[in-house]
Amino acid sequence: NAGVTQTPKFRVLKTGQSMTLLCAQDMNHEYMYWYRQDPGMGLRLIHYSVGEGTTAKGEVPDGYNVSRLKKQNFLLGLESAAPSQTSVYFCASSYDERRDFNTGELFFGEGSRLTVL
Amino acid sequence: RKEVEQDPGPFNVPEGATVAFNCTYSNSASQSFFWYRQDCRKEPKLLMSVYSSGNEDGRFTAQLNRASQYISLLIRDSKLSDSATYLCGVPNFGNEKLTFGTGTRLTIIP
Repeated sequence: NAGVTQTPKFRVLKTGQSMTLLCAQDMNHEYMYWYRQDPGMGLRLIHYSVGEGTTAKGEVPDGYNVSRLKKQNFLLGLESAAPSQTSVYFCASSYDERRDFNTGELFFGEGSRLTVL
Repeated sequence: RKEVEQDPGPFNVPEGATVAFNCTYSNSASQSFFWYRQDCRKEPKLLMSVYSSGNEDGRFTAQLNRASQYISLLIRDSKLSDSATYLCGVPNFGNEKLTFGTGTRLTIIP
């Protein structure tokens, strides 16, 4: 049981390049999230998904796009990377214990360190 | 007022001491609350959940004060291995998403 897996773990980009971060979970969780973590800023929510085929904006969505084509995968895309997007990105998922209730408890991946030069 | 606020610290505490830190939240409709522990360069991991007035797990106690809208984390008999950053997480109404505080950095000194 791998839990939440993120790829790649590290990436260096040049300004203007594009890339996709992949998050995969094997816990059959309905909810998935992408956060970024910067020094002194804590974890900030970029986008999230409450189920396959759905996505929603979080606190800092600009410059990012997401897709949830399959329940187990949540992709985060950077169309044109900027130095301000240098950060550690964490994917998380959460368990819908009841039919229509989510406790909010998150399970995190190990993080992806992105540097934009 | 920020949705979730924490004292960033750092808290430097001698081994064996008791330490407590608070987390304030603005959404009075939140029903559940979480303390996560994050080691340096690692992912956050759930430490404790709080659904009612409080929760205790060994040396760790989390308490909820709904009237004043804060939760606290108390660590007794602190160990060197308790050194980490502690993040407070508060879900929105409906629990669709979790908002975190900036974290409190704790260092236990031998």
